[in-house]
Amino acid sequence: DAGVTQSPTHLIKTRGQQVTLRCSPKSGHDTVSWYQQALGQGPQFIFQYYEEEERQRGNFPDRFSGHQFPNYSSELNVNALLLGDSALYLCASSGIRGTGNTIYFGEGSWLTVV
Amino acid sequence: GNSVTQMEGPVTLSEEAFLTINCTYTATGYPSLFWYVQYPGEGLQLLLKATKADDKGSNKGFEATYRKETTSFHLEKGSVQVSDSAVYFCALSLRGQGGKLIFGQGTELSVKP
Repeated sequence: DAGVTQSPTHLIKTRGQQVTLRCSPKSGHDTVSWYQQALGQGPQFIFQYYEEEERQRGNFPDRFSGHQFPNYSSELNVNALLLGDSALYLCASSGIRGTGNTIYFGEGSWLTVV
Repeated sequence: GNSVTQMEGPVTLSEEAFLTINCTYTATGYPSLFWYVQYPGEGLQLLLKATKADDKGSNKGFEATYRKETTSFHLEKGSVQVSDSAVYFCALSLRGQGGKLIFGQGTELSVKP
């Protein structure tokens, strides 16, 4: 049973560019959440998707947007990249429209903005 | 607001020592509480959880008890191993906000042989 998978694992972007990160949830899960983890910090909730709609959002600017596809996979898009966007981006999945207790994380996508 | 506070690290212990990592929380309502572990270069793995007051979560020799009266969820292990070296995160989720976790800042544990 595949867990949460993310791609790419590492990428480097230039300030002002745009980036797209991808996530496939664990089999049987319908809810995907995205987190940003800066170096030495705990993960911060960005937003959550189920039924192809954004359901909850953390304190992140509109430069951060997402999408969920009919197969429950998801993308995180960040526009107009800033140096401060450099972080590990974690995707998490859960079941039952987000009410399932156990949340599983992928290994993350390391984004470096130069 | 809702938040989680962990003891600062790094924590350095010798193998077979007793481990305690303190975690306290502030939350509206009755949260579920979690400990996640992050090994170097990896994502987060759920270590244990507790969903109501006085519940004890346990896994791989680690334990934590949900203490509503002290709003705490301290992580303990009786005898640590070198392989336990990692960063440990305490987190909470609120009812009606499933899938959204609020994390502490993490505590780095280093176990020496």
